[in-house]
Amino acid sequence: EVQLVQSGAEVKKPGESLKISCKGSGYSFISYWIGWVRQMPGKGLEWMGIIYPGDSDTRYSPSFQGQVTISADKSTSTAYLQWSSLKASDTAMYYCATSTESPLPSHWGQGTLVTVSS
Amino acid sequence: DIQMTQSPSSLSASVGDRVTITCRASQDIRNDLGWYQQKPGKAPKRLIYAASSLQSGVPSRFSGSGSGTEFTLTISSLQPEDFATYYCLQHNTYPFTFGGGTKVEI
Repeated sequence: EVQLVQSGAEVKKPGESLKISCKGSGYSFISYWIGWVRQMPGKGLEWMGIIYPGDSDTRYSPSFQGQVTISADKSTSTAYLQWSSLKASDTAMYYCATSTESPLPSHWGQGTLVTVSS
Repeated sequence: DIQMTQSPSSLSASVGDRVTITCRASQDIRNDLGWYQQKPGKAPKRLIYAASSLQSGVPSRFSGSGSGTEFTLTISSLQPEDFATYYCLQHNTYPFTFGGGTKVEI
């Protein structure tokens, strides 16, 4: 069974750095794209970017390019989303998602809530 | 970027109603579109892929249609557990893009 398990909720201050994780199991992690989706409080879903763990090919939405870094560690079957300097506007729920049969995500993590507040 | 315009943004319906939600793409995306259901505090759940293929385990009252630029999600007879927010997602071209969502309320 495909499973994505995300790291726990985070509370950070503006300007701090953060790296959240998404561990895949039950499938060949290196063979399928895995993406990240943001959902700000009370708002809709926003596609942030995607990585192919096999060769680390990464594509970003222009809205998030330069604002976050997506990476993956093949040895631990874990994808990451990181910020070097958080802003209050980064407060949101972040989901990772993947699919083993098409680019369209079919399996989702449980979400990681990131709160940025002074 | 491909823009996905979803309508309506919200609708009120009753159990047993037929509900239709539309997504319009700003350019031809063939059938590279899926539909998701999201309930409060939960991750999205895929209902439809390839515009009209029903995800395994999803009730047959859900159906999708369309290709090119116009797509529709239909719930043939709304059930209490269907009250949720629905999103379309195109995966034809990077960056993938979601529609704005449709909240289905009583």
